[in-house]
Amino acid sequence: EADIYQTPRYLVIGTGKKITLECSQTMGHDKMYWYQQDPGMELHLIHYSYGVNSTEKGDLSSESTVSRIRTEHFPLTLESARPSHTSQYLCASSRTDRTFLIETQYFGPGTRLLVL
Amino acid sequence: KNQVEQSPQSLIILEGKNCTLQCNYTVSPFSNLRWYKQDTGRGPVSLTIMTFSENTKSNGRYTATLDADTKQSSLHITASQLSDSASYICVVSDRGSTLGRLYFGRGTQLTVWP
Repeated sequence: EADIYQTPRYLVIGTGKKITLECSQTMGHDKMYWYQQDPGMELHLIHYSYGVNSTEKGDLSSESTVSRIRTEHFPLTLESARPSHTSQYLCASSRTDRTFLIETQYFGPGTRLLVL
Repeated sequence: KNQVEQSPQSLIILEGKNCTLQCNYTVSPFSNLRWYKQDTGRGPVSLTIMTFSENTKSNGRYTATLDADTKQSSLHITASQLSDSASYICVVSDRGSTLGRLYFGRGTQLTVWP
C-alpha cells in the first residue's frame, strides 16, 4: 500500500464555490501528479511537479491550479467550481529506478467530486 | 485516437475461471508497459512492468506478456477470485527517463461472479 493520501474522498458542492483537493505523500518523492478520470475513460494528466516550487500543466487543459511549497504536499484548487468539473481526481507520486530508468507511479485513493 | 487500446471493454467470468485481457499500442518510441489494477473507488496499483526486452512477467496469479514487434500485450488471470473484480489498465511509457510520457488505456472492467 502506497503512502499517499487524498482528502476529501468524496465532495458534493454547489456551483461557484472554491475548493481545494488535498494530496500528501510520505515517501519523499520529488515528482507528483494530478490526473482526472471519468467513468470508463482513461486517466488524463492535468498537472505535475518535479519538485518544490515547480509546477507544470499536463496534457488536458484544466481550470484548476496547483502549488508545491513542500515536497510532501501537492494541493489542487478550483477557484469557481462548475458542473463540468464533476469527475474523479487522482493524485500520484513517483520515484525513478536509476539503474533501469523506470519510473513507478504510486496513486492515492482519489477524490470523487460532484458539482451541482 | 488513443494510442493504447484495450479489449474487451468489460468482461464477466465465474469464480475459478481463467481470463485474458488484451492491450494494443502504437506508442513510439517504447520504453515499458505496465498493467495496473484499479478497484472501484481506489487509485490504480501496479501489477507488472515489462521493458522491450522482456516478453513475460508473472505476479502470483497474474501473468503479463509482451510482443514488442506487434505492439501487443496481454494480462492472463488464472483461477479468478471475487477480489479480482476491478478495472485493469494498460499503461505505456515512451521513454525511460524523467522526460517520459505515460499513455493510459481506458481499462477492461472485470467482474467475477460467485
